Amino acid sequence: GAGVSQSPSNKVTEKGKDVELRCDPISGHTALYWYRQSLGQGLEFLIYFQGNSAPDKSGLPSDRFSAERTGGSVSTLTIQRTQQEDSAVYLCASSRQGALFEQFFGPGTRLTVL
Amino acid sequence: GEDVEQSLFLSVREGDSSVINCTYTDSSSTYLYWYKQEPGAGLQLLTYIFSNMDMKQDQRLTVLLNKKDKHLSLRIADTQTGDSAIYFCAETQTGANNLFFGTGTRLTVIP
Repeated sequence: GAGVSQSPSNKVTEKGKDVELRCDPISGHTALYWYRQSLGQGLEFLIYFQGNSAPDKSGLPSDRFSAERTGGSVSTLTIQRTQQEDSAVYLCASSRQGALFEQFFGPGTRLTVL
Repeated sequence: GEDVEQSLFLSVREGDSSVINCTYTDSSSTYLYWYKQEPGAGLQLLTYIFSNMDMKQDQRLTVLLNKKDKHLSLRIADTQTGDSAIYFCAETQTGANNLFFGTGTRLTVIP
């Protein structure tokens, strides 16, 4: 596609359930990022993938959060045993090579944990 | 970690200029960015400035950087209702793996 796509656009889940969020980056972009946008707060970095290098997981808030990037393209962010404080918009971005290059953002997945 | 701060709200009348301010703490910031987020949409890069620059102008947008005070501003001339959005400043450094974002400023343009 022409831009970064994310699915689902909205996800409502019950506390304690696991969720998977998907990101399709722009074709050819080697860098992929996940951010979290909570109400009234800025974007919080979660994880960064660059090519075949080990991901930078320094932003993941707890071990309930994990992410994979298969084949250097599609990425899945998994949140296990969701909590109400996980409710946020999860944004994915991709760029040509790294953080210094323009990051193109997807529309986000709004996660609501009841 | 790095702190990037913005005021949360700004209201201006259509046709006036808007000035959105941002302060950051990391003196090693190399690149500074302004992103725009419209309702229900992802972030869109508006403009960026290298830390060795003082000013950058792009049509209605003017970015000013005071590196000594670690202060960045975005001026929008002749503000239009379509400019209503949340504006995020962000910074990064050479070798960093991510951008550090401010909380965003919600700009409301009053017709």
